[in-house]
Amino acid sequence: GAGVSQSPSNKVTEKGKDVELRCDPISGHTALYWYRQSLGQGLEFLIYFQGNSAPDKSGLPSDRFSAERTGGSVSTLTIQRTQQEDSAVYLCASSPGTGGLETQYFGPGTRLLVL
Amino acid sequence: QKEVEQDPGPLSVPEGAIVSLNCTYSNSAFQYFMWYRQYSRKGPELLMYTYSSGNKEDGRFTAQVDKSSKYISLFIRDSQPSDSATYLCATDGNAGGTSYGKLTFGQGTILTVHP
Repeated sequence: GAGVSQSPSNKVTEKGKDVELRCDPISGHTALYWYRQSLGQGLEFLIYFQGNSAPDKSGLPSDRFSAERTGGSVSTLTIQRTQQEDSAVYLCASSPGTGGLETQYFGPGTRLLVL
Repeated sequence: QKEVEQDPGPLSVPEGAIVSLNCTYSNSAFQYFMWYRQYSRKGPELLMYTYSSGNKEDGRFTAQVDKSSKYISLFIRDSQPSDSATYLCATDGNAGGTSYGKLTFGQGTILTVHP
């Protein structure tokens, strides 16, 4: 079946502009995660959604970052007033959400460049 | 200090070599340890995971955890050019709690296997 999809694949924006990144998880997966991958920094956890529970936002680096998940499926990560240090690959993952340690299935990422 | 440390390499080996990839972690409460493989411009995919200390083998891959020294290893036998990728170690990052979604990754090691 279809995997996790993300759009856009690439995004170039000017400093100060807002951007929205979209994630479509695998159908039926109730858990959804956002990570950021910067050069030489590995993957950094941003936010975690599980069903209807309140999301774990503990990884969001500043209040310029927010995410929502509508209808328990598609998620949007919004970065307001982008800064150059926000340039990175933003990865989304999903998992079944049935409990315990689950395999997270990653999308291909959105490459964000802030000029 | 990062919770999970990994030498970013790059590591270059000839085809057929045994590859050893390593990580260290700081929190002795971590219980699950994972290795992800990431091809260029793709999302990471889970290779294998282990729980607590010990070895786990899957074909040419062996994952090893030594909790006494907080050391994680991945060995690749008879390496192939198709193994060329970035390898990321990860832990569940929740120190045995209930929020299994929050993974903590190392920086990733870039591996090239040349024919």
